[in-house]
Amino acid sequence: AQSVSQHNHHVILSEAASLELGCNYSYGGTVNLFWYVQYPGQHLQLLLKYFSGDPLVKGIKGFEAEFIKSKFSFNLRKPSVQWSDTAEYFCAVNPQEYGNKLVFGAGTILRVKS
Amino acid sequence: KAGVTQTPRYLIKTRGQQVTLSCSPISGHRSVSWYQQTPGQGLQFLFEYFSETQRNKGNFPGRFSGRQFSNSRSEMNVSTLELGDSALYLCASSILGASDTQYFGPGTRLTVL
Repeated sequence: AQSVSQHNHHVILSEAASLELGCNYSYGGTVNLFWYVQYPGQHLQLLLKYFSGDPLVKGIKGFEAEFIKSKFSFNLRKPSVQWSDTAEYFCAVNPQEYGNKLVFGAGTILRVKS
Repeated sequence: KAGVTQTPRYLIKTRGQQVTLSCSPISGHRSVSWYQQTPGQGLQFLFEYFSETQRNKGNFPGRFSGRQFSNSRSEMNVSTLELGDSALYLCASSILGASDTQYFGPGTRLTVL
């Protein structure tokens, strides 16, 4: 079965630190890739997505992610985090042959200390 | 454009009862998917509807069912509720489905006592 692994369940950073959240998936076919964010008390919001083309994609609020096909990875990065980035981050994979089904990772809770 | 709306936002039920949750997609979106979010299992896909037809289904028992109406609004039903059905149920809509970006609603928090 397909699976999505997020390397860290909890991450604590100070403001201005750099962030990298790992995401690996186990599916050999063509996939679409997403990062969603869930701020405290809010619903899931799309941060960025990769369908095809440039493997480095930029999203909202200064986030970016790089798709490395050979490593089945789609890591999320931000050069300098802010307190307002405190949230839970979910990596999601959509194997194209599965229609619109998203397979989610377990999530990473990021806490940014001010 | 208004986002995905879900009603009710909170529900408390007892074991053995049934429940119906409603989802209104973003205007113009024809695909609606449902997900269950729990602390133990995370986010899991329940099913997807497109043009009133179930197009995809996750690994949930037959107690979980859904439907979609001609205006793309969707409902999901859970019969014979169990304690383990307590979860946040999320609805997501997309324009056409089939590897499209999904936009999520706020969810319905179901508590089964």
